[in-house]
Amino acid sequence: DQQVKQNSPSLSVQEGRISILNCDYTNSMFDYFLWYKKYPAEGPTFLISISSIKDKNEDGRFTVFLNKSAKHLSLHIVPSQPGDSAVYFCAASRGNTPLVFGKGTRLSVIA
Amino acid sequence: ETGVTQTPRHLVMGMTNKKSLKCEQHLGHNAMYWYKQSAKKPLELMFVYNFKEQTENNSVPSRFSPECPNSSHLFLHLHTLQPEDSALYLCASSQELGRTGTEAFFGQGTRLTVV
Repeated sequence: DQQVKQNSPSLSVQEGRISILNCDYTNSMFDYFLWYKKYPAEGPTFLISISSIKDKNEDGRFTVFLNKSAKHLSLHIVPSQPGDSAVYFCAASRGNTPLVFGKGTRLSVIA
Repeated sequence: ETGVTQTPRHLVMGMTNKKSLKCEQHLGHNAMYWYKQSAKKPLELMFVYNFKEQTENNSVPSRFSPECPNSSHLFLHLHTLQPEDSALYLCASSQELGRTGTEAFFGQGTRLTVV
């Protein structure tokens, strides 16, 4: 059973617009959530994270929102740029457990 | 450069071969991981080492055998693999297991093809 779900396999957004990537989780014990970005032929790179004690974390063009009651988090990228085109993975962990990842969402930013 | 280096980047092996994947991290981390990425699937955790001790084996077949001689190096020994084992194998490290709020850093992966 998947504990971290990214239900949209792909997303296309026009350059300059907002990209919203969504992630749902089933384990209410998760207390730390992360987004990773992956280009082809490279490993995932850490993008942004949020602790369960917060509902928002912002870093430049990237903002992650956490809704604990809905067990949902989202990554907002604004404005989107062509270089943001990649696969984005949502991940979660609790206490001393390793990260659990979703299947990823492929974002294409069209110029 | 993420501080985690994997070799080789690409590997083609026959089903009767024996090969090893190598991972080295230069970040001073104490936890190291092997993940498998297959098409249209989540990253699957395979093995976890914390301070050189294996803490997790996620029901991985015995044809995959990990080795962690020290906190900086991690190996994945492969033998008698199946074509369905073809995937991207990713190594990662983090400060240590049990410290909430730390991210994992990934290597670039080894693209394995079993023929």
